[in-house]
Parts: sequence; structure tokens; C-alpha cells
Amino acid sequence: ILNVEQSPQSLHVQEGDSTNFTCSFPSSNFYALHWYRWETAKSPEALFVMTLNGDEKKKGRISATLNTKEGYSYLYIKGSQPEDSATYLCAFPYSGGGADGLTFGKGTHLIIQP
Amino acid sequence: DSGVTQTPKHLITATGQRVTLRCSPRSGDLSVYWYQQSLDQGLQFLIQYYNGEERAKGNILERFSAQQFPDLHSELNLSSLELGDSALYFCASSVWDGGNTGELFFGEGSRLTVL
Repeated sequence: ILNVEQSPQSLHVQEGDSTNFTCSFPSSNFYALHWYRWETAKSPEALFVMTLNGDEKKKGRISATLNTKEGYSYLYIKGSQPEDSATYLCAFPYSGGGADGLTFGKGTHLIIQP
Repeated sequence: DSGVTQTPKHLITATGQRVTLRCSPRSGDLSVYWYQQSLDQGLQFLIQYYNGEERAKGNILERFSAQQFPDLHSELNLSSLELGDSALYFCASSVWDGGNTGELFFGEGSRLTVL
């Protein structure tokens, strides 16, 4: 079983500010790193699936970077809005294999304060 | 709407009982995953099926079992239920092309309460 660590556990950010948080994963036998957003009372929704070292992906004001050699990924939110309030999860293939279930981190709970 | 359908949405039962949760994946997705989310716990991977066959097993108890049918829907069977089995059970599906796991599409979950 592989460990996926996320920090911080929770984060309060003022509306309009930018923020970022971290996902750490084992750097050996890398296949892919996933980011999901989980809003309260809803289901997790995929943001990004990242596969290449140095990869940077962007969706609107949210972007993510990947460093497979050192085993971390950053998620950035630019100009936070109240609708960005959610738990952000990263996930890594369970046993390191490409087809296996994903192991999820415990998430970063982001609260945007108006 | 993710395209993944789970039933029932809510279920209340007693200790010692058995329940079945059902999941219909997105059209075209061959992989189905089951996850458990308990209080103060993250998403715990239980089991994955691909095209009818068990593909990977996570922290699934022996009292729990699952299967995927020829029409690709899946069922998670929970037996001899205990209070600690109360949780939100998610089903997810994905396209798997033989390489990396594609993004997961989650259903709305089945909330199980064991009294």
C-alpha cells in the first residue's frame, strides 16, 4: 500500500487571494497522479491526470505541476472565489500499477472567505 | 451528472444484516471501482473490476464481496453488518486502455447506516 500525503489539511483563504497546496507520493514506479475536487454534498470530480515529469496542466484559474523525480505535485488556485471552496484530493495508483485502483490522500479542505 | 448511477442513495439497516449496493458505470467504461468513506477517513479503495474480472483489491473486509456482471453493472455485497460499516460507499468508473488509469467518474454514493 502506497502513501499519498497532502498538506495542509485545511486552508482558509481570502477571496481574491491565490493559494497552493501539495501532494507527496512515492517517486519510484510512477504511473500517474490525479487531482480531484470534492464539493460538499457532491461526488469527487476529476481536475487533472498528470503523467509526465515537469507536466503543467491548467483549467481556468486552477493549475497543477508535477515533479515525479522528487515525488510531489502542486495545485495552484489563482484569484480564489467562493465557489472554489472544496476538498482537493490527489490520488496515485494503489500498488504502483497503471490499472489498479487509486489511493487517495486525505485531501486539503479549502475554505474561501468573502 | 457523471453518468455513474448508484442505488440505493440511502439505506438504514440493523447489525448482522446483509445489503447489496448497485452501480451502473458510464456508458463505455469497463472498469468499476468501489470506495468507502467513513467518518474522519478519506476515500478507502475497496476493489476494482475490469470487464467482469477482479482487477485489484484494497482494504476490503472478508465480509464484503463484489462482482461485475456481463452488462458491466457491479454490485457490492456487505454482510454481517457492524456499526462500523456505516459509511458512504462510492462507485466510480473509468476507461482503461491497458496503460494508465483514466480519470475516475464517481456516482453520488450510497449512504449506509447500521443501527
